[in-house]
Amino acid sequence: AQSVTQLDSQVPVFEEAPVELRCNYSSSVSVYLFWYVQYPNQGLQLLLKYLSGSTLVESINGFEAEFNKSQTSFHLRKPSVHISDTAEYFCATFLWNTGFQKLVFGTGTRLLVSP
Amino acid sequence: DVKVTQSSRYLVKRTGEKVFLECVQDMDHENMFWYRQDPGLGLRLIYFSYDVKMKEKGDIPEGYSVSREKKERFSLILESASTNQTSMYLCASTVLGATSYEQYFGPGTRLTVT
Repeated sequence: AQSVTQLDSQVPVFEEAPVELRCNYSSSVSVYLFWYVQYPNQGLQLLLKYLSGSTLVESINGFEAEFNKSQTSFHLRKPSVHISDTAEYFCATFLWNTGFQKLVFGTGTRLLVSP
Repeated sequence: DVKVTQSSRYLVKRTGEKVFLECVQDMDHENMFWYRQDPGLGLRLIYFSYDVKMKEKGDIPEGYSVSREKKERFSLILESASTNQTSMYLCASTVLGATSYEQYFGPGTRLTVT
């Protein structure tokens, strides 16, 4: 079955430092991978996704993730974080069948950025 | 602009009460989902619907039911609320067959059962 694992429940980091949030997937079929972000008191919103093509995908606010098939990973990185990046980040993979589609989420990583 | 709305941001109910959580999307999406979010457990799928009057159980359907009478509205029902149903509930929708595969989420309803 397709699933994702986020090993870190919380990642504290200082402002302007680099950060990596880890995500590993398991799947025996084509893999679609996503990172969603949840800012405090809000719903989730899509940060970036890998469907096919270039293995490096980027978001509009400086995050990037690389699909690594040999390591079955899709880690999220940012070279310099801001206070405003404080949020919970969810890795997800896609499961589909006739008539429906659904996401399978990891347990989330809380990014805490301090001054 | 895409919009998914949920009827309440915060809700407090007593044990044994019947609770309705409403979700409305304005994007004409076929698929709608209800998740619950708990610390350390991420998002877990309760129920989803891929068309009007159609529903499928997700990973944790026990204690919940759903209703989808109109395409834009998907309701989650707690027949007899219990304290272990205290959680954040998130609704999402997506269009069937979309190549983006993106789900659009509402802001969530934080339910407390006392």
